[in-house]
Amino acid sequence: GEDVEQSLFLSVREGDSSVINCTYTDSSSTYLYWYKQEPGAGLQLLTYIFSNMDMKQDQRLTVLLNKKDKHLSLRIADTQTGDSAIYFCADPAYSGAGSYQLTFGKGTKLSVIP
Amino acid sequence: NAGVTQTPKFQVLKTGQSMTLQCAQDMNHEYMSWYRQDPGMGLRLIHYSVGAGITDQGEVPNGYNVSRSTTEDFPLRLLSAAPSQTSVYFCASSYSSGANYGYTFGSGTRLTVV
Repeated sequence: GEDVEQSLFLSVREGDSSVINCTYTDSSSTYLYWYKQEPGAGLQLLTYIFSNMDMKQDQRLTVLLNKKDKHLSLRIADTQTGDSAIYFCADPAYSGAGSYQLTFGKGTKLSVIP
Repeated sequence: NAGVTQTPKFQVLKTGQSMTLQCAQDMNHEYMSWYRQDPGMGLRLIHYSVGAGITDQGEVPNGYNVSRSTTEDFPLRLLSAAPSQTSVYFCASSYSSGANYGYTFGSGTRLTVV
């Protein structure tokens, strides 16, 4: 089945850039998503990228997609302490009858050091 | 505020007890799903529904039942709780089950089975 892999931990200093990486196995993926989970909260949709794009920028967030290598990354510029959270990469897996279910990576815990 | 509401937020059960985790959304979303989140395991899909009256199993359905009698509600039933079901449970909804729709998550139910 579909598999999504992420490193589990990342630690950066405040003001530096953070890069969170993700690899996926489904070559037919059309959309790929990044979610953010703050402590004690549910997941919130952070951004997404369509498969015909190589890059998408949204304020401090940059998503890079390498379809050939099935590699997705999320770059956070000027990382702040409020960015400390768990970040999940998610890929829609086809389950039949036109229906997709999101498959999540295990999440990368970003710790920002003041 | 529009969104996904989960109740209760916390619950402690004894082994063998049954209970229902409630999930309601007011966005007229067709698609709803239940995930469990365990340390180091990411989010795993339990059950999902693509519309009222239609449900299907996800990756880890054993020990759980669901039904979808209305568009708004998607309760998750634990038939006979086991310590292995200690987890944080998230309900999510989406406009449809297509690949191009992100999910809205509830804030979660933290369940402990003793």
